[in-house]
Amino acid sequence: DTEVTQTPKHLVMGMTNKKSLKCEQHMGHRAMYWYKQKAKKPPELMFVYSYEKLSINESVPSRFSPECPNSSLLNLHLHALQPEDSALYLCASSQAGTGELFFGEGSRLTVL
Amino acid sequence: GIQVEQSPPDLILQEGANSTLRCNFSDSVNNLQWFHQNPWGQLINLFYIPSGTKQNGRLSATTVATERYSLLYISSSQTTDSGVYFCAVERWFGNEKLTFGTGTRLTIIP
Repeated sequence: DTEVTQTPKHLVMGMTNKKSLKCEQHMGHRAMYWYKQKAKKPPELMFVYSYEKLSINESVPSRFSPECPNSSLLNLHLHALQPEDSALYLCASSQAGTGELFFGEGSRLTVL
Repeated sequence: GIQVEQSPPDLILQEGANSTLRCNFSDSVNNLQWFHQNPWGQLINLFYIPSGTKQNGRLSATTVATERYSLLYISSSQTTDSGVYFCAVERWFGNEKLTFGTGTRLTIIP
């Protein structure tokens, strides 16, 4: 069983919708990550939170808005997405940003 | 940034066969991990191995940091080993992120 849980597992949304992806970890890790993965490609980093502060934003469009309410939770708010944003969104956590990464099962997003 | 190349890109094997997957990286690293991405998309940790050799059941990995490569060995393959194998590397100075390799897609035929 994964110790990083993501919800929902599948999400279909229109281009005018607002939705959120959620991620939770109970390993006491202080760094959390969002990755985006398109079909047949490796994961690409979007955001890193370290000690609940945004430390890396890989020039992600503002229609993706991350939030870290506490050390165990990470959200990704989605608004006005485009069909090309359809992908697998992966959450991960690690010790203090420089250790072994553990991934959740992912949220598969389809934008119509 | 650091470049990470994996070979072969695709590998098809009969059940019971052995295989070696390779990961080459272009600069020194502090962190190297191997992952297996199953058909449902989950990335499963196999090894955290910035240097040396580790074994876990039928899988083992070796990283030769001075020569900038890592190898993943899978023995007596099973159909559940199918999926994509990624290596990922990280350098801690300069706030560099974990960079994934290009992946090896392994298909095990019964």
